[in-house]
Amino acid sequence: QKEVEQDPGPLSVPEGAIVSLNCTYSNSAFQYFMWYRQYSRKGPELLMYTYSSGNKEDGRFTAQVDKSSKYISLFIRDSQPSDSATYLCAMSPRRNTPLVFGKGTRLSVIA
Amino acid sequence: EAQVTQNPRYLITVTGKKLTVTCSQNMNHEYMSWYRQDPGLGLRQIYYSMNVEATDKGDVPEGYKVSRKEKRNFPLILESPSPNQTSLYFCASSLGSKGGPGRATDTQYFGPGTRLTVL
Repeated sequence: QKEVEQDPGPLSVPEGAIVSLNCTYSNSAFQYFMWYRQYSRKGPELLMYTYSSGNKEDGRFTAQVDKSSKYISLFIRDSQPSDSATYLCAMSPRRNTPLVFGKGTRLSVIA
Repeated sequence: EAQVTQNPRYLITVTGKKLTVTCSQNMNHEYMSWYRQDPGLGLRQIYYSMNVEATDKGDVPEGYKVSRKEKRNFPLILESPSPNQTSLYFCASSLGSKGGPGRATDTQYFGPGTRLTVL
């Protein structure tokens, strides 16, 4: 079993839809959970950051971490065409240790 | 402007010809790292550095070398490139150990990428 599993998609939704992106992981030591967004031909940029469990909301984006289920989610409300990108989950057990990335989910929001 | 820069952005080379990809950051970050991104495999860490003269292997270090002589620079060296090192490479940096855990200190800022083809 891979350390981090993420459905690669592609996922295509109409503008305004609620999008749910997910990752599962096997290492119970992971404490730092992040979501990166990567536009085509660009480097990833941090979208959401969560330490330990719980929910974090930032505008249209909500990140959820369920450590008991080893499952993290990213929700995008009122999705826009500008949200079309690849979304990568990433996690690590301690600060300043290598991040383990999911393979990324490619999202297209159709106007 | 705070940024991570990489050069070159695109490189086509031949097997065995030594090359260096430079990475520089202007944010006074302690932590720097190199990743490669391949279709179906995602982002994998090659090497990372906690500070000057402190480097360590990531998940896929074979065939690569790094050095960290100055805080701002973290070059990636391929002594004898092979076709299986054809990939998209990203350098990243973060603030590092100063301060407690949090988005500000733990965010990794990525460079624009270097697309390398080894023939």
